[in-house]
Amino acid sequence: GEDVEQSLFLSVREGDSSVINCTYTDSSSTYLYWYKQEPGAGLQLLTYIFSNMDMKQDQRLTVLLNKKDKHLSLRIADTQTGDSAIYFCADLSYNTDKLIFGTGTRLQVFP
Amino acid sequence: NAGVTQTPKFQVLKTGQSMTLQCAQDMNHNSMYWYRQDPGMGLRLIYYSASEGTTDKGEVPNGYNVSRLNKREFSLRLESAAPSQTSVYFCASTSGPWGSYNEQFFGPGTRLTVL
Repeated sequence: GEDVEQSLFLSVREGDSSVINCTYTDSSSTYLYWYKQEPGAGLQLLTYIFSNMDMKQDQRLTVLLNKKDKHLSLRIADTQTGDSAIYFCADLSYNTDKLIFGTGTRLQVFP
Repeated sequence: NAGVTQTPKFQVLKTGQSMTLQCAQDMNHNSMYWYRQDPGMGLRLIYYSASEGTTDKGEVPNGYNVSRLNKREFSLRLESAAPSQTSVYFCASTSGPWGSYNEQFFGPGTRLTVL
């Protein structure tokens, strides 16, 4: 089946930029998503990108998509302690119409 | 608008016991999903319902059953709980349609422990 991979941990200093990376194998991807999960809560959609786009910017968030390498990244500018959470990359497969989630990256922001 | 609600929030079961996790959404969404979240494994789809009256297996359906009671409600049943089913369970819903931008709205989760 299709797969989505992420690194498990990222630690950054407050005020720095964070970059969370994701790779996927699906060739029929339509949309790719970034979800945020705070402790004890469900997932909330942060942003998404359509598969024919290269970049999307939304305030402090920048999503870059390299379709050739099947690589997605999320950059958070001026990272704050409130950004500490688990970030999930997800791929919406055209073939199955289901979301395939990565393992999640735990972002820790220290002062 | 409550969004997606799940009950209970926490549950402890003994091996072999049964229980039903409840999920409801008030957004008039067509599709509903049940996921389980395990450390280091992300979210895995257990069952989904593309519309009222239909249900289909996801990636990890063994040991579970579901019922799409009506458009609002989608329940997940564990007939004979096993320790391997210790997990956090999330219900989600989306309006669809197929292949379009499809934000899934998630409930707050049910943390289940099977002893």
